[in-house]
Amino acid sequence: GENVEQHPSTLSVQEGDSAVIKCTYSDSASNYFPWYKQELGKRPQLIIDIRSNVGEKKDQRIAVTLNKTAKHFSLHITETQPEDSAVYFCAAFLTGANNLFFGTGTRLTVIP
Amino acid sequence: NAGVMQNPRHLVRRRGQEARLRCSPVKGHSHVYWYRQLPEEGLKFMVYLQKENIIDESGMPKERFSAEFPKEGPSILRIQQVVRGDSAAYFCASSAQGIHQPQHFGDGTRLSIL
Repeated sequence: GENVEQHPSTLSVQEGDSAVIKCTYSDSASNYFPWYKQELGKRPQLIIDIRSNVGEKKDQRIAVTLNKTAKHFSLHITETQPEDSAVYFCAAFLTGANNLFFGTGTRLTVIP
Repeated sequence: NAGVMQNPRHLVRRRGQEARLRCSPVKGHSHVYWYRQLPEEGLKFMVYLQKENIIDESGMPKERFSAEFPKEGPSILRIQQVVRGDSAAYFCASSAQGIHQPQHFGDGTRLSIL
């Protein structure tokens, strides 16, 4: 199966700074990588995703990069705001499997 | 458009009782997934269903747990003879097509076992 590792587990940044969260995966056959944001007590919300035929994708202040050779992908949040504070999860879909494999999450705190 | 609807939001059961968790997917979505989340942990896949079919239940314990997604009505995750270790948040997600399409999550059911 797939093994997804996520770092760091906690991250604190000053408002306006950038935040970067990194994930690695083990199986080169993985081809779909979504990122979810989960606020306390709420549902995970899909914020951005990327497929293996693309190296980078951007949506306003959020971007995701994928390095297939190194088998890692990263979430970049620029100009962070207090409302960005949440737990962020990366995930990978392994071709041939039937489920998403999630990372263990990163608790992001944006300090006003 | 209503998103994924789960109920109840909170469920309290005593050891040995049954827990039934319901999930109505996004209208038009025929793929449903159940995940379990322990405090401070990530989401663990349990089961993937399409209408009337279980596609993959490799993440679901073979005893006491079952899931269904009937032709009519919501998907049901059923836990029989609950134990303290079943306490967790159970999330349902749905997608329009297969697993490689974006999954949209419900608000979850927080199950507490006394």
